[in-house]
Amino acid sequence: GAVVSQHPSRVICKSGTSVKIECRSLDFQATTMFWYRQFPKQSLMLMATSNEGSKATYEQGVEKDKFLINHASLTLSTLTVTSAHPEDSSFYICSAQTGTTEAFFGQGTRLTVV
Amino acid sequence: GENVEQHPSTLSVQEGDSAVIKCTYSDSASNYFPWYKQELGKGPQLIIDIRSNVGEKKDQRIAVTLNKTAKHFSLHITETQPEDSAVYFCAATELYKAAGNKLTFGGGTRVLVKP
Repeated sequence: GAVVSQHPSRVICKSGTSVKIECRSLDFQATTMFWYRQFPKQSLMLMATSNEGSKATYEQGVEKDKFLINHASLTLSTLTVTSAHPEDSSFYICSAQTGTTEAFFGQGTRLTVV
Repeated sequence: GENVEQHPSTLSVQEGDSAVIKCTYSDSASNYFPWYKQELGKGPQLIIDIRSNVGEKKDQRIAVTLNKTAKHFSLHITETQPEDSAVYFCAATELYKAAGNKLTFGGGTRVLVKP
């Protein structure tokens, strides 16, 4: 199947700083990318949907000024957690798809805010 | 919107036995039902999927069945092995939607295969 690369896999940052997570589709052009958050022993919670070249659509309750999403090209989307706080610590996962194909997931990023 | 319920939340089986996970969905417009396996600290991996124009699909030890009338679908793993131990998620979506195939996930099933 297609490969989606997510980087970094783990990051520790200080409270108040910003962290950027990258999601790349390596062998296909992703028209749509999704960002999820997953708490321990829970399901994936969709945060936002991004289409290349347009603004991301955020799910209800997700602060768009805190979780900045950029989908500048058909192979790259980034999620920036701004002014991170300990409650933002979580596992963040992206997925990418093209047209009506299945979604391919990245490996996830474990964010710890200290 | 779509709502997906998944049962059981945990499942312990003896190696070699079968495991069955069931999901129900609410939106009759949903037409694509993938199953994902997630190992600790990793992203979900697609293991099998089914579209609403078929009732059953099989891939080696894994099979999925779909009952559109009852709005439920199930994952069957036969001859389970210790490496099948993971968390499994079902999902549902409506393909061909202009906004993209936004998946709605079930709550997950933690499967433990005991040697």
